[in-house]
Amino acid sequence: DTAVSQTPKYLVTQMGNDKSIKCEQNLGHDTMYWYKQDSKKFLKIMFSYNNKELIINETVPNRFSPKSPDKAHLNLHINSLELGDSAVYFCASSHLRDQPQHFGDGTRLSIL
Amino acid sequence: AQTVTQSQPEMSVQEAETVTLSCTYDTSESDYYLFWYKQPPSRQMILVIRQEAYKQQNATENRFSVNFQKAAKSFSLKISDSQLGDAAMYFCAYRTYSGNTGKLIFGQGTTLQVKP
Repeated sequence: DTAVSQTPKYLVTQMGNDKSIKCEQNLGHDTMYWYKQDSKKFLKIMFSYNNKELIINETVPNRFSPKSPDKAHLNLHINSLELGDSAVYFCASSHLRDQPQHFGDGTRLSIL
Repeated sequence: AQTVTQSQPEMSVQEAETVTLSCTYDTSESDYYLFWYKQPPSRQMILVIRQEAYKQQNATENRFSVNFQKAAKSFSLKISDSQLGDAAMYFCAYRTYSGNTGKLIFGQGTTLQVKP
């Protein structure tokens, strides 16, 4: 069974569209994260939720909106997609005060 | 703010040989965690090894070991008996021990090539 699963794995869309990426974890963790890996492979935290509460919101455009319906799910919605949003987005989970973080397989978002 | 630096963009090693990947970090904290993650071409992020800063003993996981030098803020990864499957991008990462965020701060990554 996949511990952290993201869907879709690939997302190709036009500039200006709105899209969502879903993430689910079955590890019983209380904290979930979104990371962005850019074209140079640099990984940076975007958001984190602990028990459905937003605890990290790094300097991310407000076109990005995370939503956590429960502590096993953390979705990422992106409005008005721009070329610069092309990247691989990783979901991860862990216990807040324990580690390590377990990562999903990533979603490659390509903006045409 | 904490930073993590990997100064080797690329490294190569002959199969069965040993290679060491470098990582330095900057922090004013005394307690923290350090990690090495492996990202093969399949793009999965796989935890290789972790180290708690309060532990003096260097962590080991089979062929993987670290050289943790707390005073020097250095955390290198040694891969012994390199295998073709070790070819990947390796990321060093820092996580604070205290606080309520748990976020990982990553280095720029080192691409490891393993030659047969």
